[in-house]
Amino acid sequence: NAGVTQTPKFRILKIGQSMTLQCAQDMNHNYMYWYRQDPGMGLKLIYYSVGAGITDKGEVPNGYNVSRSTTEDFPLRLELAAPSQTSVYFCASSYSSGLWEQYFGPGTRLTVT
Amino acid sequence: QKEVEQNSGPLSVPEGAIASLNCTYSDRVSQSFFWYRQYSGKSPELIMSIYSNGDKEDGRFTAQLNKASQYVSLLIRDSQPSDSATYLCAVINSGYALNFGKGTSLLVTP
Repeated sequence: NAGVTQTPKFRILKIGQSMTLQCAQDMNHNYMYWYRQDPGMGLKLIYYSVGAGITDKGEVPNGYNVSRSTTEDFPLRLELAAPSQTSVYFCASSYSSGLWEQYFGPGTRLTVT
Repeated sequence: QKEVEQNSGPLSVPEGAIASLNCTYSDRVSQSFFWYRQYSGKSPELIMSIYSNGDKEDGRFTAQLNKASQYVSLLIRDSQPSDSATYLCAVINSGYALNFGKGTSLLVTP
């Protein structure tokens, strides 16, 4: 199993541009999550999904959108990129009931200039 | 805001010693607790989960949970230079999402 995969690994965006961060998992996990990590800060939840077609906002959703059309994929969309969105983005997934252990992808390092 | 607090460190221990990492949380209804290890430039890696009061051992790692004191700790026995990393404490308050502390930097010196 590849686990959780993310693309791209690195990206530089200009202010106002848009992009989609890709995330996929092959563990048949129902739950998927997007976090951002800023230097010296803990991970902050952006959005999460409990299954295909179901998404909900986390702590810091402004400026982002998500969709979940399949169990495997959970892309994160950035519209009108701003310097405040410069961060490292991690996707994670977990099983449903009983086990909440989350497994993380390798991350995407995004710079907005 | 439900808080998860960790000492940022760095915590420096000599090779072979026991490293003790601590975490406190503010939400009394928290039920699930996790320790992640994060090397510089890498993603968090799950090393321990604990759900009930007491100790849980896995190899050189022991997680300890005290819900009455709202305290969770991680002990690393026989610390190795390869254990040098940032250790993140994470708690599920309600629902499904992890609430992370800012992490404790551990340095194991040869």
